[in-house]
Amino acid sequence: QVRLVQSGAEVKKPGASVKVSCRASGYTFTNYDINWVRQATGQGLEWMGWMSPSSHNSGYAHKFHGRITFRTDASIRTAYLELSGLRPDDTAVYYCARGPSPEYFDFWGQGTLVTVSS
Amino acid sequence: SYELTQPPSVPVSPGQTARITCSGDALPKRYAYWYYQKSGQAPILVIYEDDKRPSEIPERFSGSSSGTMATLTISGAQVEDEGDYYCYSTDNNAGGVFGGGTKLTVL
Repeated sequence: QVRLVQSGAEVKKPGASVKVSCRASGYTFTNYDINWVRQATGQGLEWMGWMSPSSHNSGYAHKFHGRITFRTDASIRTAYLELSGLRPDDTAVYYCARGPSPEYFDFWGQGTLVTVSS
Repeated sequence: SYELTQPPSVPVSPGQTARITCSGDALPKRYAYWYYQKSGQAPILVIYEDDKRPSEIPERFSGSSSGTMATLTISGAQVEDEGDYYCYSTDNNAGGVFGGGTKLTVL
Protein backbone atom coordinates (compact mmCIF):
# COMPACT_ATOMS: atom_id res chain seq x y z
CA GLN A 1 0.00 0.00 0.00
CA VAL A 2 1.05 3.63 -0.44
CA ARG A 3 3.08 4.92 2.50
CA LEU A 4 4.91 8.16 3.14
CA VAL A 5 7.13 8.02 6.22
CA GLN A 6 8.60 11.26 7.50
CA SER A 7 11.59 12.01 9.67
CA GLY A 8 11.29 12.73 13.36
CA ALA A 9 10.58 15.90 15.31
CA GLU A 10 13.07 18.75 15.25
CA VAL A 11 13.81 21.64 17.60
CA LYS A 12 15.61 24.57 16.05
CA LYS A 13 16.72 28.03 17.10
CA PRO A 14 15.55 31.14 15.24
CA GLY A 15 17.61 31.75 12.15
CA ALA A 16 18.55 28.10 11.71
CA SER A 17 17.51 25.73 8.91
CA VAL A 18 15.60 22.48 9.07
CA LYS A 19 15.45 19.56 6.64
CA VAL A 20 12.50 17.18 6.72
CA SER A 21 12.56 13.92 4.79
CA CYS A 22 9.69 11.89 3.33
CA ARG A 23 10.33 8.31 2.23
CA ALA A 24 7.81 6.81 -0.17
CA SER A 25 6.83 3.19 -0.73
CA GLY A 26 4.06 1.24 -2.41
CA TYR A 27 4.05 3.11 -5.72
CA THR A 28 6.35 4.30 -8.49
CA PHE A 29 8.04 7.28 -6.87
CA THR A 30 8.78 9.19 -10.07
CA ASN A 31 5.17 9.05 -11.32
CA TYR A 32 3.79 11.41 -8.68
CA ASP A 33 4.62 14.88 -7.40
CA ILE A 34 5.43 15.46 -3.74
CA ASN A 35 3.67 18.37 -2.07
CA TRP A 36 4.45 19.93 1.30
CA VAL A 37 1.78 21.29 3.64
CA ARG A 38 2.17 22.64 7.15
CA GLN A 39 -0.14 23.21 10.09
CA ALA A 40 0.57 25.37 13.11
CA THR A 41 -0.91 24.15 16.39
CA GLY A 42 -4.64 24.75 16.43
CA GLN A 43 -4.57 26.31 12.98
CA GLY A 44 -5.55 25.31 9.47
CA LEU A 45 -3.60 23.70 6.66
CA GLU A 46 -1.18 25.76 4.59
CA TRP A 47 0.15 24.62 1.21
CA MET A 48 3.86 25.28 0.85
CA GLY A 49 4.83 23.90 -2.55
CA TRP A 50 5.55 20.86 -4.71
CA MET A 51 8.27 19.07 -6.62
CA SER A 52 8.24 16.49 -9.39
CA PRO A 53 10.71 13.67 -8.69
CA SER A 54 10.97 12.97 -12.41
CA SER A 55 11.45 16.44 -13.91
CA HIS A 56 12.62 18.21 -10.72
CA ASN A 57 10.27 21.03 -11.63
CA SER A 58 8.87 22.73 -8.55
CA GLY A 59 6.68 25.54 -7.33
CA TYR A 60 6.04 27.17 -3.99
CA ALA A 61 3.82 29.65 -2.23
CA HIS A 62 5.10 33.20 -2.58
CA LYS A 63 5.48 33.71 1.17
CA PHE A 64 8.33 31.20 1.28
CA HIS A 65 10.33 32.83 -1.48
CA GLY A 66 14.04 32.67 -0.76
CA ARG A 67 13.69 30.33 2.22
CA ILE A 68 12.39 27.05 0.79
CA THR A 69 14.18 24.28 -1.09
CA PHE A 70 12.80 20.99 -2.35
CA ARG A 71 14.87 18.01 -3.32
CA THR A 72 14.14 14.43 -4.29
CA ASP A 73 16.39 11.39 -4.53
CA ALA A 74 14.70 8.75 -6.65
CA SER A 75 17.38 6.15 -5.86
CA ILE A 76 16.09 6.00 -2.27
CA ARG A 77 12.53 7.15 -3.01
CA THR A 78 12.85 10.12 -0.70
CA ALA A 79 11.80 13.76 -0.89
CA TYR A 80 13.20 16.55 1.22
CA LEU A 81 11.97 19.93 2.37
CA GLU A 82 14.49 22.46 3.62
CA LEU A 83 13.33 25.68 5.22
CA SER A 84 15.89 28.31 6.21
CA GLY A 85 15.78 31.49 8.26
CA LEU A 86 13.45 29.84 10.75
CA ARG A 87 11.21 32.02 12.89
CA PRO A 88 9.02 31.10 15.86
CA ASP A 89 5.96 31.29 13.62
CA ASP A 90 7.40 28.49 11.49
CA THR A 91 6.61 26.17 14.41
CA ALA A 92 4.21 23.65 12.89
CA VAL A 93 3.64 20.08 11.82
CA TYR A 94 5.00 19.64 8.31
CA TYR A 95 3.39 17.07 6.02
CA CYS A 96 4.46 15.61 2.72
CA ALA A 97 1.70 14.41 0.42
CA ARG A 98 1.66 12.54 -2.87
CA GLY A 99 0.24 14.39 -5.88
CA PRO A 100 -1.47 12.35 -8.64
CA SER A 101 -1.72 15.58 -10.60
CA PRO A 102 -0.53 19.16 -10.19
CA GLU A 103 -4.01 19.93 -8.85
CA TYR A 104 -4.17 17.91 -5.64
CA PHE A 105 -2.73 15.24 -3.39
CA ASP A 106 -4.09 11.95 -2.15
CA PHE A 107 -1.87 10.20 0.41
CA TRP A 108 -0.16 12.03 3.26
CA GLY A 109 2.80 11.36 5.51
CA GLN A 110 2.34 11.21 9.27
CA GLY A 111 3.72 14.70 9.81
CA THR A 112 6.90 16.08 11.38
CA LEU A 113 6.75 18.58 14.23
CA VAL A 114 9.26 21.40 13.86
CA THR A 115 9.59 23.67 16.87
CA VAL A 116 11.45 26.96 16.56
CA SER A 117 12.39 28.39 19.92
CA SER A 118 15.30 30.18 21.49
CA SER B 1 -4.04 36.66 -2.77
CA TYR B 2 -6.58 33.96 -3.48
CA GLU B 3 -8.88 32.79 -0.69
CA LEU B 4 -11.32 29.98 -0.12
CA THR B 5 -13.97 30.72 2.48
CA GLN B 6 -15.58 28.10 4.69
CA PRO B 7 -17.90 28.41 7.69
CA PRO B 8 -15.93 27.86 10.93
CA SER B 9 -18.36 25.30 12.27
CA VAL B 10 -21.30 23.18 11.20
CA PRO B 11 -23.41 21.29 13.74
CA VAL B 12 -25.49 18.27 12.74
CA SER B 13 -27.54 15.65 14.56
CA PRO B 14 -26.64 12.00 14.05
CA GLY B 15 -28.34 10.64 10.94
CA GLN B 16 -29.05 14.07 9.50
CA THR B 17 -27.43 15.69 6.47
CA ALA B 18 -24.51 18.05 6.88
CA ARG B 19 -23.46 20.48 4.19
CA ILE B 20 -20.15 22.30 4.27
CA THR B 21 -19.61 25.08 1.77
CA CYS B 22 -16.47 26.54 0.24
CA SER B 23 -16.52 29.72 -1.82
CA GLY B 24 -13.81 31.05 -4.09
CA ASP B 25 -13.66 33.20 -7.19
CA ALA B 26 -11.69 30.66 -9.21
CA LEU B 27 -13.95 27.69 -8.47
CA PRO B 28 -15.91 28.07 -11.73
CA LYS B 29 -12.63 27.24 -13.52
CA ARG B 30 -10.88 25.03 -10.96
CA TYR B 31 -11.73 21.81 -9.23
CA ALA B 32 -12.43 21.67 -5.52
CA TYR B 33 -11.02 18.97 -3.27
CA TRP B 34 -12.04 18.06 0.26
CA TYR B 35 -9.89 16.74 3.09
CA TYR B 36 -10.95 15.41 6.46
CA GLN B 37 -8.75 15.64 9.52
CA LYS B 38 -9.38 14.01 12.83
CA SER B 39 -7.62 15.71 15.72
CA GLY B 40 -3.92 14.87 15.83
CA GLN B 41 -3.94 12.88 12.60
CA ALA B 42 -2.89 13.51 9.03
CA PRO B 43 -5.65 14.63 6.65
CA ILE B 44 -7.30 12.20 4.27
CA LEU B 45 -8.83 12.91 0.87
CA VAL B 46 -12.61 12.48 0.82
CA ILE B 47 -13.62 14.15 -2.46
CA TYR B 48 -11.56 15.00 -5.54
CA GLU B 49 -12.35 16.88 -8.75
CA ASP B 50 -15.52 18.41 -7.25
CA ASP B 51 -17.58 15.25 -6.97
CA LYS B 52 -15.46 12.11 -7.17
CA ARG B 53 -15.08 9.88 -4.13
CA PRO B 54 -12.04 7.67 -3.46
CA SER B 55 -13.07 4.03 -3.25
CA GLU B 56 -12.32 3.77 0.46
CA ILE B 57 -14.55 6.71 1.41
CA PRO B 58 -18.13 5.86 2.49
CA GLU B 59 -20.93 6.60 0.03
CA ARG B 60 -22.54 9.07 2.45
CA PHE B 61 -19.85 11.58 1.40
CA SER B 62 -20.56 13.49 -1.81
CA GLY B 63 -19.39 16.69 -3.44
CA SER B 64 -20.77 19.23 -5.85
CA SER B 65 -19.76 22.56 -7.30
CA SER B 66 -21.72 25.35 -8.91
CA GLY B 67 -20.38 28.77 -9.80
CA THR B 68 -18.13 30.09 -7.06
CA MET B 69 -19.26 27.57 -4.44
CA ALA B 70 -18.33 23.97 -3.79
CA THR B 71 -20.26 21.86 -1.29
CA LEU B 72 -19.38 18.76 0.67
CA THR B 73 -22.47 16.81 1.73
CA ILE B 74 -22.53 14.10 4.37
CA SER B 75 -25.83 12.25 4.14
CA GLY B 76 -26.65 10.55 7.42
CA ALA B 77 -23.78 11.97 9.43
CA GLN B 78 -22.27 9.69 12.03
CA VAL B 79 -20.41 10.44 15.22
CA GLU B 80 -17.18 9.20 13.66
CA ASP B 81 -17.49 11.93 11.00
CA GLU B 82 -16.70 14.60 13.58
CA GLY B 83 -13.58 16.56 12.84
CA ASP B 84 -12.21 19.28 10.61
CA TYR B 85 -12.95 19.51 6.90
CA TYR B 86 -10.85 21.57 4.51
CA CYS B 87 -11.54 22.50 0.93
CA TYR B 88 -8.58 22.93 -1.39
CA SER B 89 -8.10 24.33 -4.85
CA THR B 90 -5.49 26.00 -7.00
CA ASP B 91 -4.99 29.38 -8.56
CA ASN B 92 -2.61 30.45 -11.32
CA ASN B 93 -0.92 33.01 -9.11
CA ALA B 94 -1.23 31.60 -5.60
CA GLY B 95 -0.63 27.94 -6.35
CA GLY B 96 -2.43 25.73 -3.85
CA VAL B 97 -4.88 27.21 -1.36
CA PHE B 98 -6.80 25.67 1.53
CA GLY B 99 -9.96 27.02 3.01
CA GLY B 100 -9.83 27.93 6.67
CA GLY B 101 -11.46 24.68 7.70
CA THR B 102 -14.87 23.74 9.11
CA LYS B 103 -15.32 21.90 12.38
CA LEU B 104 -18.15 19.39 12.03
CA THR B 105 -19.86 18.56 15.29
CA VAL B 106 -22.24 15.60 15.40
CA LEU B 107 -24.48 15.69 18.45
